[in-house]
Amino acid sequence: DTAVSQTPKYLVTQMGNDKSIKCEQNLGHDTMYWYKQDSKKFLKIMFSYNNKELIINETVPNRFSPKSPDKAHLNLHINSLELGDSAVYFCASSQELGTTGKNFYEQYFGPGTRLTVT
Amino acid sequence: AQSVTQLDSHVSVSEGTPVLLRCNYSSSYSPSLFWYVQHPNKGLQLLLKYTSAATLVKGINGFEAEFKKSETSFHLTKPSAHMSDAAEYFCVVSDRDFGNEKLTFGTGTRLTIIP
Repeated sequence: DTAVSQTPKYLVTQMGNDKSIKCEQNLGHDTMYWYKQDSKKFLKIMFSYNNKELIINETVPNRFSPKSPDKAHLNLHINSLELGDSAVYFCASSQELGTTGKNFYEQYFGPGTRLTVT
Repeated sequence: AQSVTQLDSHVSVSEGTPVLLRCNYSSSYSPSLFWYVQHPNKGLQLLLKYTSAATLVKGINGFEAEFKKSETSFHLTKPSAHMSDAAEYFCVVSDRDFGNEKLTFGTGTRLTIIP
């Protein structure tokens, strides 16, 4: 069974268009994330949601709007796409794990969505 | 603020020889550290994690890493490389931001295995 799934896997579109990427996790996790991986493979967090509430927003342009209809889904909508938005976008989820008195969260990643803006 | 430095952007080793991927971190807190692997056109998979338990951490596929606080290092090793190990490896440090995990990724090390 797929733990974290994303659709579509590939997305090619023109500048100025609006597009959405969907993410679903069946792990029962409370927290979901969106990451952007640029052409140099650098990964940076964009957003984090916990129980449908926005927790982390890393100075992402407001053309990017995450939407969480329930805690198993976190979709990413992008308005007025620009060339610089071309990247691979990864969704992830996590649930608090406790060990030896220190809590930590292991994040599980989806397969990624390769967005190409022409 | 936390950060991760992966000292080598590309490492090449021959099949059957040891692998060493270097990582240094900076964190204001007692960090959690991870190594993730990304095979070509695939998502990220957790290799191993350090969370203040044993300093020598064993992961999947024969990889291990040692947390050295005095050197602020978390280098990844494997005694004998296999062709299937060819991938991009990311060292990651975690921090809690308003109660939620925030991962900071290194820039990655591409591991090439020479037959």
